[in-house]
Amino acid sequence: AQTVTQSQPEMSVQEAETVTLSCTYDTSENNYYLFWYKQPPSRQMILVIRQEAYKQQNATENRFSVNFQKAAKSFSLKISDSQLGDTAMYFCAFTRFNNNDMRFGAGTRLTVKP
Amino acid sequence: DAGVIQSPRHEVTEMGQEVTLRCKPISGHDYLFWYRQTMMRGLELLIYFNNNVPIDDSGMPEDRFSAKMPNASFSTLKIQPSEPRDSAVYFCASSPRTEYSPLHFGNGTRLTVT
Repeated sequence: AQTVTQSQPEMSVQEAETVTLSCTYDTSENNYYLFWYKQPPSRQMILVIRQEAYKQQNATENRFSVNFQKAAKSFSLKISDSQLGDTAMYFCAFTRFNNNDMRFGAGTRLTVKP
Repeated sequence: DAGVIQSPRHEVTEMGQEVTLRCKPISGHDYLFWYRQTMMRGLELLIYFNNNVPIDDSGMPEDRFSAKMPNASFSTLKIQPSEPRDSAVYFCASSPRTEYSPLHFGNGTRLTVT
């Protein structure tokens, strides 16, 4: 079974600074997909960024980027120039190739302070 | 695109009562997922469908839980009889086609069983 571990239950960062959220996963698969989702207080789950395991280049989406270390099975999320609206729960998720059951980590609660 | 629509947004019921949660996926999405979110266990995949057919229901906690998808535009998750430990937020999500497609989540139903 695949597991996703987020070891930081809570984090905080000052507005405009950079923060990195960690995620590790356990799998015997070679091909898979990784995602970061954001859940603000509104409860809506929003896709932040995704990465294909067979791509070595780290994905980026504006202020959001990942550090994907396949050998270490690590998939961290970096948020640059943090904004108050980034305050939310962040979930790391994993999906196997040719399989659609997405598995989530326990989440990291991020607070951006003014 | 109206997004994934779930109803009701909140449900409060007494132990022993039947509860039915409803979901309308995004039109054209082949996959539909039901997740449960609690503080203790995070986001758990309960069941998912492909083209209205249940593919994996191994996450359904027990026989009190059942899910149906009678057509491409509607799914239900039923709990009968409900128990206080079923209190959680239940999310429905849909996705277009492949495992790399992100999940599109509804706003969730917060269920409270007293």
